[in-house]
Amino acid sequence: NAGVTQTPKFQVLKTGQSMTLQCAQDMNHNSMYWYRQDPGMGLRLIYYSASEGTTDKGEVPNGYNVSRLNKREFSLRLESAAPSQTSVYFCASSPREGAYQPQHFGDGTRLSIL
Amino acid sequence: EDQVTQSPEALRLQEGESSSLNCSYTVSGLRGLFWYRQDPGKGPEFLFTLYSAGEEKEKERLKATLTKKESFLHITAPKPEDSATYLCAGGATNKLIFGTGTLLAVQP
Repeated sequence: NAGVTQTPKFQVLKTGQSMTLQCAQDMNHNSMYWYRQDPGMGLRLIYYSASEGTTDKGEVPNGYNVSRLNKREFSLRLESAAPSQTSVYFCASSPREGAYQPQHFGDGTRLSIL
Repeated sequence: EDQVTQSPEALRLQEGESSSLNCSYTVSGLRGLFWYRQDPGKGPEFLFTLYSAGEEKEKERLKATLTKKESFLHITAPKPEDSATYLCAGGATNKLIFGTGTLLAVQP
């Protein structure tokens, strides 16, 4: 029962470097999400994908891009990392889009940008 | 603006000492109110969804309730393994609005 799997678990980058965070789910869910979690601020939505082939901006999309590779996989890319992007990043999925649906989370990627 | 506020920020209980966590919300057209548990270094783990005022759900020592303005997570006779951060989230249109959580510590 893997659920939502995120890689890598930890990463340290230098300012200006790029990287892609990977997320895969095995629950046959249609919708997937990327959040960041910072102390005292709660989880904030970066981007989401309601279904395969669609992506939309969330609350804090600047500096990020996403790709819904197929139904299982949803990646988050930082093109030019900045110290303000130091955070814990969580991927989540739900059966369908909509605020009636509980989302199921991975265990996160802890990203530090120096 | 849609908002979810949790209180207290932190709570320390003795084993067996029951208490409640509060989640107040101002979410237009609330679709659902969600409770999650988060352990250190882990992602949030789904606990409950509440859809309408008056609804209650239970799981082991936890019971979640919902009114038109707030939700409570009641913890009855907690054990040390209940120690975690508890998050609530309000469902608005197609997004979840999360609170900042209550850090619960249960001492033996």
